Amino acid sequence: QQQVKQSPQSLIVQKGGISIINCAYENTAFDYFPWYQQFPGKGPALLIAIRPDVSEKKEGRFTISFNKSAKQFSLHIMDSQPGDSATYFCAPYYNQGGKLIFGQGTELSVKP
Amino acid sequence: EAQVTQNPRYLITVTGKKLTVTCSQNMNHEYMSWYRQDPGLGLRQIYYSMNVEVTDKGDVPEGYKVSRKEKRNFPLILESPSPNQTSLYFCASSRGLAGNEQYFGPGTRLTVT
Repeated sequence: QQQVKQSPQSLIVQKGGISIINCAYENTAFDYFPWYQQFPGKGPALLIAIRPDVSEKKEGRFTISFNKSAKQFSLHIMDSQPGDSATYFCAPYYNQGGKLIFGQGTELSVKP
Repeated sequence: EAQVTQNPRYLITVTGKKLTVTCSQNMNHEYMSWYRQDPGLGLRQIYYSMNVEVTDKGDVPEGYKVSRKEKRNFPLILESPSPNQTSLYFCASSRGLAGNEQYFGPGTRLTVT
């Protein structure tokens, strides 16, 4: 059961550019929408998250945009840096079942 | 330092030889979970635990067992490992329900030959 579709699978961006990663979901019961960042050899770590009562949340260079009617949310990385090179996962959550549903992941490479 | 630890970090074993991967957290978190990560599939939940003595199946529980006898520990047991269980495994914990920030361990890379 494919509940979450993340795109693109991989992304190459020049330093200073904007990286955009998208996540589409099916389950309207999701009520928490985080993005996790994973560096090679490490476990994922929470980057930024949004609740469905707001349409946008910004933390530094990272912004989540949330479109409830389209059942999509996206991660925008402004002024992308080589240190942002990592794999990014959307992982929406709903209370029933008590778990995050991870997307397939996007491997971001920021070229200097 | 607040952290989730896993041991071993790397393990190569043979089909059918029972093994245990340990997981421990020092943040007094109620919720703990095990995931496996495979290329192109993201992370899939194996088992989770809401609190001591409370465990439940995730999306891919077949071939795995867990126990939660103490709040800080949540071991993953493979009674009879098979090659399709070759994967990267992560333990995670969070305060309260999974909807709060989950803290992940460093991962255990398991190869079953």
